[in-house]
Amino acid sequence: KQEVTQIPAALSVPEGENLVLNCSFTDSAIYNLQWFRQDPGKGLTSLLLIQSSQREQTSGRLNASLDKSSGRSTLYIAASQPGDSATYLCAVGGTGANNLFFGTGTRLTVIP
Amino acid sequence: EAGVAQSPRYKIIEKRQSVAFWCNPISGHATLYWYQQILGQGPKLLIQFQNNGVVDDSQLPKDRFSAERLKGVDSTLKIQPAKLEDSAVYLCASSSLGLAVDEQYFGPGTRLTVT
Repeated sequence: KQEVTQIPAALSVPEGENLVLNCSFTDSAIYNLQWFRQDPGKGLTSLLLIQSSQREQTSGRLNASLDKSSGRSTLYIAASQPGDSATYLCAVGGTGANNLFFGTGTRLTVIP
Repeated sequence: EAGVAQSPRYKIIEKRQSVAFWCNPISGHATLYWYQQILGQGPKLLIQFQNNGVVDDSQLPKDRFSAERLKGVDSTLKIQPAKLEDSAVYLCASSSLGLAVDEQYFGPGTRLTVT
């Protein structure tokens, strides 16, 4: 069974810093990997989707990388802002039925 | 393009009562998912529909949970009777074709509190 781990569980950084969130998964036979943002009391907002054949995706200040062979992905946030404060979830799309296996998230706080 | 709609946004019930949640996916999306997110955890898939058929309900507690998508569009998820451990956010998501490479789009969720 696929298991997804996110480290750290929580992170506080001063505004303007660059930061990296980590995600690891146990089964490298995946179709894709998706990073989501979740604000308190809200649903999930998709940030980046990386297909298994890709190594990275970029959107604005966000860059996500994927290394299937080692079972790792990173989300890089450049020049962090207070509005980036949220929980970031990593989800792996497994083979078979199209469902996602989620990590427990990293709660990010950007301090003004 | 309208996103995934869910209602109600919040619900508080006593244990042993019943409750129902509603989801309307993005127009034209064939696949609909219900996830359960317990506080401090990532979402866990409960059931996946492809049009009006069930693709995966292996993690749905069928003794108390039921779901339907009769016309292949909107869906309802029901809990009867509710237990304290059912307190969670129930998220609905949809994707266009249900292929493994499809992106899933999530609704705002329904926060259920069972007292």
